[in-house]
Amino acid sequence: AQSVTQPDIHITVSEGASLELRCNYSYGATPYLFWYVQSPGQSLQLLLKYFSGDTLVQGIKGFEAEFKRSQSSFNLRKPSVHWSDAAEYFCAVKAGGFKTIFGAGTRLFVKA
Amino acid sequence: NAGVTQTPKFRVLKTGQSMTLLCAQDMNHEYMYWYRQDPGMGLRLIHYSVGEGTTAKGEVPDGYNVSRLKKQNFLLGLESAAPSQTSVYFCASMTGGGQETQYFGPGTRLLVL
Repeated sequence: AQSVTQPDIHITVSEGASLELRCNYSYGATPYLFWYVQSPGQSLQLLLKYFSGDTLVQGIKGFEAEFKRSQSSFNLRKPSVHWSDAAEYFCAVKAGGFKTIFGAGTRLFVKA
Repeated sequence: NAGVTQTPKFRVLKTGQSMTLLCAQDMNHEYMYWYRQDPGMGLRLIHYSVGEGTTAKGEVPDGYNVSRLKKQNFLLGLESAAPSQTSVYFCASMTGGGQETQYFGPGTRLLVL
């Protein structure tokens, strides 16, 4: 069965520092991969997605993610975090059919 | 374009009461989904629909029913609410046909006492 693991429940970084959020998936073939962001009290917004091609994908708000097939990973990165990036981040995988599986989420705290 | 809207935004129920959550989308999307979000568990799929008149069970369907009588609307019903159904419910829609991005509604916060 497909699954998504986000190993870090929460992460704290200082404003201006770099960020990497980890995501591992379980699926036999290449899935469709997504990162969504949920600001406090808000709904989910798509940050970026990977279907095929270049394994480094750019998203909104300065985020990027890299697909690594050998590690079954799709980690999210940002070179310099802003206080407004404090939110919960969800990795998701669509692996055939019509359903998308979401990870449990990583909550990002940003220190001034 | 309103996108995906949900009604109501917040509701308090007593155990055993029933209610219906309404999801509407104006993007002519084929696929619609109902999720529940609980702390530390991400989003879990309750039911989904791949077109008007169709519904299918997701990961956690027990205690819920759905209907998709019109393409733009997807209703989630709780026949006899239980405290375990206290959650935030999100509706999403997707066009399909290779564009796999889901668009989410603002959510409905449900408290069952």
